[in-house]
This record gives sequence, C-alpha cells and structure tokens, in this order.
Amino acid sequence: GQNIDQPTEMTATEGAIVQINCTYQTSGFNGLFWYQQHAGEAPTFLSYNVLDGLEEKGRFSSFLSRSKGYSYLLLKELQMKDSASYLCAVQDSNYQLIWGAGTKLIIKP
Amino acid sequence: DGGITQSPKYLFRKEGQNVTLSCEQNLNHDAMYWYRQDPGQGLRLIYYSQIVNDFQKGDIAEGYSVSREKKESFPLTVTSAQKNPTAFYLCASSIAASGSSSGANVLTFGAGSRLTVL
Repeated sequence: GQNIDQPTEMTATEGAIVQINCTYQTSGFNGLFWYQQHAGEAPTFLSYNVLDGLEEKGRFSSFLSRSKGYSYLLLKELQMKDSASYLCAVQDSNYQLIWGAGTKLIIKP
Repeated sequence: DGGITQSPKYLFRKEGQNVTLSCEQNLNHDAMYWYRQDPGQGLRLIYYSQIVNDFQKGDIAEGYSVSREKKESFPLTVTSAQKNPTAFYLCASSIAASGSSSGANVLTFGAGSRLTVL
C-alpha cells in the first residue's frame, strides 16, 4: 500500500529552527510537495522537490532523498504566524497525489 | 484577483438531505478537484475533472456526485447515501490535469466548506 508518515504535532520557540520530517512508501515517485495550512483555511503551496537535495526559498527549505524515501521541511527564524499544519504529499507513478495527515506546528513565544 | 471561491463556508444538514457545495475558479485552470479532510487523516480525493463535461471518481466517491458543465465551476453534491458526511471539504484547481507528465502539478485551494450533519 501507499503510505506517507509525518509527526502529528511539534512545538518550537519563536526565533528558533524546526525540521518537519516526512517518509513515504508509494507506487513510484514523481515529486514531493509541501503545503502550509492555517487552521480552518486553505492549504497553500510551499515547495516541490523531484531531485535529491535541498531547495531553499527564504526562511523555508525542503530536502529530498529518493533512495531513503525521505523529505524534510526546515523552517528558520520561526515567527508566530508559522503556527500551522504542514502537509506532505507525493505524486505517485500515475501522477496522483498521496497526502500525509499533516504536522501541526505550535510556536511558543 | 484570481482564485477559487467555495460556498457556503459553513453548512448544516439534517440526515437524509442532499446538499450541494459550490466551487468557482477564475484562474482558467483545466483541472479541478474535490477533497475531503478529516482530523488525523490526509486529504482524500473524492472526484476530479480534467476537462469540461468529464470527471473521474477518486478514492472515496461513494455517496457524492459532481458536474462540470463550465470550465469555471465544479459543484459537489453530498447525497443522503454518504454515511458519514460531516467533514471539511476542499476544492482545488491546477493548470494541468493530474496524471500528466508535466512535473509540478501545483494545486490552488479554495477556503473550504465545513459540513455538519445534525
């Protein structure tokens, strides 16, 4: 079966760095996405990785290792507005999206 | 501003009633999707449409129906046959159709509709 695993909840301090991990087992791989979703709102696109390595975009970076079936989202200089759920999703061999349950990130002052 | 509009934001339904959730986009996207989001679970695909007058079942289509008469509109009807309809429903669209080998198929989501069955 296809499976995406993420921690259910994480807590971090304002100004700090946090790493949210995502491991996957899917029928093929055609890219991995990270989305941010504030409570009760729409998910918004953060990043896309299809090749191994690190993609940096401002305070957010995303890493992919296809051989390990592993990705992480790194958030630096955390701000209170970063409190949200972070969704990992993988495109399988049919380009269908498989979604993780999301990681709720709580930022404390 | 381009985007996706879902309505209503909150909806209450009595058991046995059908309800229709609206989804309209002005992004000129070809593909549209309906997802269901439940606590502790990933998004689950209900239906998707790659082109006008055509749509495909997703993983959990039972008890739902859709239509795609216009490129901009993709309404979802939750029928009385859906056994556990209380959930947060998300509509999304993308430039390319899911399943195309075009790389990053980034989804744009609407704000969601929360349906509660009383």
